[in-house]
Amino acid sequence: GQNIDQPTEMTATEGAIVQINCTYQTSGFNGLFWYQQHAGEAPTFLSYNVLDGLEEKGRFSSFLSRSKGYSYLLLKELQMKDSASYLCAVSTSNYQLIWGAGTKLIIKP
Amino acid sequence: IAGITQAPTSQILAAGRRMTLRCTQDMRHNAMYWYRQDLGLGLRLIHYSNTAGTTGKGEVPDGYSVSRANTDDFPLTLASAVPSQTSVYFCASSPGQESYNEQFFGPGTRLTVL
Repeated sequence: GQNIDQPTEMTATEGAIVQINCTYQTSGFNGLFWYQQHAGEAPTFLSYNVLDGLEEKGRFSSFLSRSKGYSYLLLKELQMKDSASYLCAVSTSNYQLIWGAGTKLIIKP
Repeated sequence: IAGITQAPTSQILAAGRRMTLRCTQDMRHNAMYWYRQDLGLGLRLIHYSNTAGTTGKGEVPDGYSVSRANTDDFPLTLASAVPSQTSVYFCASSPGQESYNEQFFGPGTRLTVL
């Protein structure tokens, strides 16, 4: 079957760095997405990786290792507004997205 | 309209009733999607449409139907609602079905079936 695993919840301190991991087993791979979802709101796009390596975009970076079926989202200089759920999703062989259950990130002052 | 809209925002529905959730986008995107989001589970694809006039089944299509008469609208119909269809429903769109296209989400419809 297809499976995407992420930690259910993480806690970090304002100003710190946090890494959210995602491992996947899917039928085919056409890229991996990270989305941010604030409570009661819609998911919004953060990043897309299709090749191995690190993609940096401001305070957020995303890493992919296809051979290991592994990705992480790195958030630097954490702000209170970063408190949200972070969703990992894989584009599979038919281009449909399979989603992880999301990681709820709690930022403490 | 700016982006993608959904209606209603929330709804309480008696089991057995028919319900249509509306979704409209003004970005001229070819692909549209319906997901449901339940606590502890990832978003699950119900139905999708890669272009106007075509639709396809996703991971959890039973009990739901869709139509795509034009580019902008993609309604989702529950023919006879059951309590297990209580969920938050998100409509999304993307420029095309290609893997690199990000999906843009509507604000969601919170549906409760009693």
